[in-house]
Amino acid sequence: NAGVMQNPRHLVRRRGQEARLRCSPMKGHSHVYWYRQLPEEGLKFMVYLQKENIIDESGMPKERFSAEFPKEGPSILRIQQVVRGDSAAYFCASSPGTLSGELFFGEGSRLTVL
Amino acid sequence: DQQVKQNSPSLSVQEGRISILNCDYTNSMFDYFLWYKKYPAEGPTFLISISSIKDKNEDGRFTVFLNKSAKHLSLHIVPSQPGDSAVYFCAASAVQFYFGTGTSLTVIP
Repeated sequence: NAGVMQNPRHLVRRRGQEARLRCSPMKGHSHVYWYRQLPEEGLKFMVYLQKENIIDESGMPKERFSAEFPKEGPSILRIQQVVRGDSAAYFCASSPGTLSGELFFGEGSRLTVL
Repeated sequence: DQQVKQNSPSLSVQEGRISILNCDYTNSMFDYFLWYKKYPAEGPTFLISISSIKDKNEDGRFTVFLNKSAKHLSLHIVPSQPGDSAVYFCAASAVQFYFGTGTSLTVIP
């Protein structure tokens, strides 16, 4: 399967723990986007990364959230000291980088904070 | 600040009739527009797109219309089928992609 792979699909954390969500883009794609979908809401942009670079992180909360896309390996969205309000579905998407290409989404990672 | 808006959270249509989903945007720099379809517990899947240099793009039962002066985008599905029941997101892009809040379409058999 050459699609966007996200893991874990489901993650349960207690308040104060750390959550790490991983995303492997489609083969040949060097651009990764992270979105969050809260219950009853749409897809909220969080961050846009290229290999080893953060291009736009205007949607990321200022504290506790970070993202990286290293030269080797998947992109990681890291949430430190999780709170109940972080419970959401986190979707990763990738694109080949052309300005007019579409995004290809993964199945999402559902984070539940107890 | 919601740059892409879908003001109808839900829509119900009889099978065989036309479904019209609407989307408005505020940023005149957007130059590429897309529609995605999403089933529960799955990631969004790409449906159809349109560049700002066009005003219409058609793909089978799906047609997207773009009115740049009104900053308005619409998706027409005709004829609607029960399998079309899903949440539809519109998206707009300048550098990165902004999504609307979605419209849940129910096609009644």
